[in-house]
Amino acid sequence: QSALTQPASVSGSPGQSIAISCTGTSSDVGGYNYVSWYLQHPGKAPKLMIYEVSNRPSGVSNRFSGSKSGNTASLTISGLQAEDEADYYCSSYTSSRSYVFGTGTKVTVL
Amino acid sequence: QVTLKESGPALVKPTQTLTLTCTFSGFSLSASGMRAGWIRQPPGKALEWLARIDWDEDKFYSTSLKTRLTISKDTSKNQVVLTMTNMDPVDTATYYCARITSTAAFDIWGQGTMVTVSS
Repeated sequence: QSALTQPASVSGSPGQSIAISCTGTSSDVGGYNYVSWYLQHPGKAPKLMIYEVSNRPSGVSNRFSGSKSGNTASLTISGLQAEDEADYYCSSYTSSRSYVFGTGTKVTVL
Repeated sequence: QVTLKESGPALVKPTQTLTLTCTFSGFSLSASGMRAGWIRQPPGKALEWLARIDWDEDKFYSTSLKTRLTISKDTSKNQVVLTMTNMDPVDTATYYCARITSTAAFDIWGQGTMVTVSS
């Protein structure tokens, strides 16, 4: 199972919106609405930010939103803040009853 | 409040077997629908899913590591155990356990435990 493809880095200025893509196949991202997104600060465990493509867990800011079209999912962060600077990973359930993570995206707040 | 915490050796030698324990609280792995699993992250690299165990003892493994992994649970102790055989330096990573929802989200993570494979 190959990792989902994410851009290595995305940057934006405070207050701007950015989007991170996550591209898979019809056997994972395209085949299920089981895409989730995680934020990971350096040296810390990942934190769930989005599940089932577009749902936010309790306590996650509504500045984070998710969507999916075909084999590509996206995470949008609006009103970018300094605390959003981190690594972001997508994940999907797969047809082989396994899970696959993305390659990871480093978000930099300029 | 749901918490998970990993424990195990910080250093193992090549060819040895690694045993990691995840001790959790705030939920029961004997309750219908509950699942837990393991994920690892080599230094500076991406996350990689390893294994999952369900409330009904169903077990699922990463295809690429299936022959080396065994996951089990001790419901009375609220623990999930992962063993990985024939350790190699490329297995050096932080190993995380997490609760897994029925919609494939890893919703609560442990703090992780760093394992180095070196002679």
